Amino acid sequence: DAKTTQPTSMDCAEGRAANLPCNHSTISGNEYVYWYRQIHSQGPQYIIHGLKNNETNEMASLIITEDRKSSTLILPHATLRDTAVYYCIVRPSNSNSGYALNFGKGTSLLVTP
Amino acid sequence: ETGVTQSPTHLIKTRGQQVTLRCSSQSGHNTVSWYQQALGQGPQFIFQYYREEENGRGNFPPRFSGLQFPNYSSELNVNALELDDSALYLCASSLPGTASYNEQFFGPGTRLTVL
Repeated sequence: DAKTTQPTSMDCAEGRAANLPCNHSTISGNEYVYWYRQIHSQGPQYIIHGLKNNETNEMASLIITEDRKSSTLILPHATLRDTAVYYCIVRPSNSNSGYALNFGKGTSLLVTP
Repeated sequence: ETGVTQSPTHLIKTRGQQVTLRCSSQSGHNTVSWYQQALGQGPQFIFQYYREEENGRGNFPPRFSGLQFPNYSSELNVNALELDDSALYLCASSLPGTASYNEQFFGPGTRLTVL
């Protein structure tokens, strides 16, 4: 069962910030929030992850609410190459599946000129 | 480029046949996971291998099986192919316990079509 809820699709103008929301209201205290993206015809690509503090790397920023029930992935200056499906994933804390990632359907982000 | 390679790129089989897909993990990664991605869906976890042993399995029947070799490369075998097995099969490697804990590096996938 999916543990996250994301909008099906979003648009963003090139050069503007893309803010992708994710709801994970049932997240447990020791579960991390991960973001991956999948550009058409490629394998998924890791973007960023966090537990409760906001995180930033060269690709994006991750903002997690204080109650940890939702998060937002921010691409500060979207480019056409950021057009992809973005997956928000909560890693199971008690799983027999090792480090399995439970992908949902993700958000299809379209960056337009 | 993640350093994870998969072969073949595309494959066409008929119902009832058997297929073997191959994956070479990123250098030094001892864990390989396999995922199935149907058209328009997110990837679904099949199973994972850690140091040549299965380390977890998703909701897939036993006709989906795998192997991991001493060099950490891996195979996915599917017997008695069904039409619904048509999908993109993704391999991902990782190295648990490092700074990139749980970050998985995906290959480009093998597109399997079952007729």
